[in-house]
Amino acid sequence: KAGVTQTPRYLIKTRGQQVTLSCSPISGHRSVSWYQQTPGQGLQFLFEYFSETQRNKGNFPGRFSGRQFSNSRSEMNVSTLELGDSALYLCASSLDGTIRGIQYFGAGTRLSVL
Amino acid sequence: DQQVKQNSPSLSVQEGRISILNCDYTNSMFDYFLWYKKYPAEGPTFLISISSIKDKNEDGRFTVFLNKSAKHLSLHIVPSQPGDSAVYFCAASAVTGNQFYFGTGTSLTVIP
Repeated sequence: KAGVTQTPRYLIKTRGQQVTLSCSPISGHRSVSWYQQTPGQGLQFLFEYFSETQRNKGNFPGRFSGRQFSNSRSEMNVSTLELGDSALYLCASSLDGTIRGIQYFGAGTRLSVL
Repeated sequence: DQQVKQNSPSLSVQEGRISILNCDYTNSMFDYFLWYKKYPAEGPTFLISISSIKDKNEDGRFTVFLNKSAKHLSLHIVPSQPGDSAVYFCAASAVTGNQFYFGTGTSLTVIP
């Protein structure tokens, strides 16, 4: 069974640009969560999608948005990039219908904002 | 505000000895805890969990202990092996919560 796939693996953008990251969950998983990982902050929860609906949201500004498609694939968009958005963005999928299910992570997308 | 804290950024242990990784939390509503392991260039993988109705859970070489009064949990790895060298994250959630809160991670190095 294929794991969680995130594309691209690396991205370099400049301030003010926008970026879209993609996540394909494990087949059959309907919950997809996104996290930002920075040194000293650990993994910070961005949002979670379940059956194409945003079910939970963390404390990030509105520049961070996402969506989920009918095949459970998810995208995350960051508009008007700031230097502080440089981070590893991780996507995780879960089979359970609750946010407390065990999550299976992708390898992440490393975003650098110059 | 960091609700889950891992105060030791790194830990080195000799192969065969015990590794003890610690995690503290501040929210008394947390009732479910997970440990994840992360190798470089890979995503975190689930290791072991514990709910607040228990104070210990074992899975092979890995044991997690929960001290609710101290709001502290620890992961014991016995015996430690070089393949255990990775970053370990603890995570916590509340039954009424909408997310997991992660610590900042502890980098474990097991020296052969």
